[in-house]
Amino acid sequence: KAGVTQTPRYLIKTRGQQVTLSCSPISGHRSVSWYQQTPGQGLQFLFEYFSETQRNKGNFPGRFSGRQFSNSRSEMNVSTLELGDSALYLCASSLRSAEGSPLHFGNGTRLTVT
Amino acid sequence: DQQVKQNSPSLSVQEGRISILNCDYTNSMFDYFLWYKKYPAEGPTFLISISSIKDKNEDGRFTVFLNKSAKHLSLHIVPSQPGDSAVYFCAASGRGNTPLVFGKGTRLSVIA
Repeated sequence: KAGVTQTPRYLIKTRGQQVTLSCSPISGHRSVSWYQQTPGQGLQFLFEYFSETQRNKGNFPGRFSGRQFSNSRSEMNVSTLELGDSALYLCASSLRSAEGSPLHFGNGTRLTVT
Repeated sequence: DQQVKQNSPSLSVQEGRISILNCDYTNSMFDYFLWYKKYPAEGPTFLISISSIKDKNEDGRFTVFLNKSAKHLSLHIVPSQPGDSAVYFCAASGRGNTPLVFGKGTRLSVIA
């Protein structure tokens, strides 16, 4: 079974630009979550989508947005990039069939903002 | 306010010995606790979990202990192997479809 696939693996953007990251979940998984990892900050929750609806949202500014398509694939968009947005962005999928179901992560997209 | 805390940024252990990674939480509504392992350039990989109705869960070399009254959990790895060298994240969630909250991680180095 293929794992969670994130594209691209690496991105370099300049301040003020926007970026779109893509995530394909494990087949059959309807929940997709996004996390931001920065050095020393652990994984910060961005948002979760389930059946094309945003179900949870973390404490990030409105420049961060996402969506989920009918095939459960998800995209995340960051507009007006700032230097502090440089991070590893991780996507995770889950069956969410039971409480406490583990998340399965992709290898992430490393975003560098210059 | 950090709800899940891993107070040791790093830990070094000799091969064959026990590794003990600790995690504290502040939110009494957390019901599920998970441990993830992360290698460089890879995403976190799920290791083991425990629900609040248990105080211990074991899977091979990995055992997680939960002390609800102290709001503390720990991951024991016995025996430790060089391949266990990675960053370990503790995570917790409440009932319902609430998001997983992660700690900042502990870097484990197992020395041969």
